Amino acid sequence: GAVVSQHPSRVICKSGTSVKIECRSLDFQATTMFWYRQFPKQSLMLMATSNEGSKATYEQGVEKDKFLINHASLTLSTLTVTSAHPEDSSFYICSARTDEYEAFFGQGTRLTVV
Amino acid sequence: RKEVEQDPGPFNVPEGATVAFNCTYSNSASQSFFWYRQDCRKEPKLLMSVYSSGNEDGRFTAQLNRASQYISLLIRDSKLSDSATYLCVVNAHTGRRALTFGSGTRLQVQP
Repeated sequence: GAVVSQHPSRVICKSGTSVKIECRSLDFQATTMFWYRQFPKQSLMLMATSNEGSKATYEQGVEKDKFLINHASLTLSTLTVTSAHPEDSSFYICSARTDEYEAFFGQGTRLTVV
Repeated sequence: RKEVEQDPGPFNVPEGATVAFNCTYSNSASQSFFWYRQDCRKEPKLLMSVYSSGNEDGRFTAQLNRASQYISLLIRDSKLSDSATYLCVVNAHTGRRALTFGSGTRLQVQP
């Protein structure tokens, strides 16, 4: 089946620095990718929809200047958490869908801001 | 009100037991329904799609009631390896094709 690769799987950064997370579709082209965030014992919450070649669509309450999304090619989307703070510590997961219904997820990135 | 609601559990059951999870969704325009499984600190993985006629995959049976906006998952003959969080997932087909997740129901199968 389709595979989505996400890295890094784990990152620890200092408060105020920026962190980039990459999400790649390995064997299919994904014109749309989705970025989710999951806090402990909570559900995955959609942050934004990443569209190849155009601006991302952000969900209400998600700061677009803080969570920069770039979808430069059909197989790569990146999420940059700028000026990270401890409250940004979370599990970030990307997802892509083919023309079928199933969604394929990256392995997730556990971000810890200290 | 959450778009997709699930009982968080945990459900603690012995091996071999039958366990059922329920889920309700608020958007009547929802078109696609799924159960995903998520292991601790891992990404979700598709367990099965849910169809109006109901569908079965081995020990797992899913049911959808559109009138009541209700989805269920039945697991028979529980195995230790079934221990995980089960996510009820809905796609409203609003054009974005993003999925809406319930908060998950945690299952712990005990020996």
